[in-house]
Amino acid sequence: DTAVSQTPKYLVTQMGNDKSIKCEQNLGHDTMYWYKQDSKKFLKIMFSYNNKELIINETVPNRFSPKSPDKAHLNLHINSLELGDSAVYFCASSQVSRGGRDEQYFGPGTRLTVT
Amino acid sequence: DAKTTQPTSMDCAEGRAANLPCNHSTISGNEYVYWYRQIHSQGPQYIIHGLKNNETNEMASLIITEDRKSSTLILPHATLRDTAVYYCIVRRFTGANSKLTFGKGITLSVRP
Repeated sequence: DTAVSQTPKYLVTQMGNDKSIKCEQNLGHDTMYWYKQDSKKFLKIMFSYNNKELIINETVPNRFSPKSPDKAHLNLHINSLELGDSAVYFCASSQVSRGGRDEQYFGPGTRLTVT
Repeated sequence: DAKTTQPTSMDCAEGRAANLPCNHSTISGNEYVYWYRQIHSQGPQYIIHGLKNNETNEMASLIITEDRKSSTLILPHATLRDTAVYYCIVRRFTGANSKLTFGKGITLSVRP
């Protein structure tokens, strides 16, 4: 039973295309996130959703649009893909609670390559 | 959130303790110290976190100095599978607005 799953694992596409990455968590968490890890291995948060509401949007281009149909899913749609979008995208989830205990559980990542 | 400083890399022998240092001299009173690690080609994994007191779980121990300006993550018996990038993160807990800001981390290499 995978706690946080992402599909697809690999995605190769051409510039200008539109693509989506799906994320599902079966942990019953109320908060989900998208992170981007670029070629230099820096891991940066993009979005977070809490109970299907957008909480964090870290100056991500409008071409990126997250969608949360329910608490267990957070999908990432990318329009007009550019070369610079090539990266590994990680989904994560957590259960926000008191005392700072909200460890995030990460998915296996989706490696996006734009050619 | 306060910044952290970690060495770029370190290594240790299999079976020995790995002590990973982290400096966070500008930490404020309501900020927690978190440790995550990322094994090659996998998503980051939560290890441990603490506020003031030392903490221990099944994976590691976290030692926080009394002035809270630095901490050490201890893997008591390192194995080859512990080879990874370890991230020390300091953050305030603000509920759903909390976010993890990853730095460069320290690359731990466990040698046979």
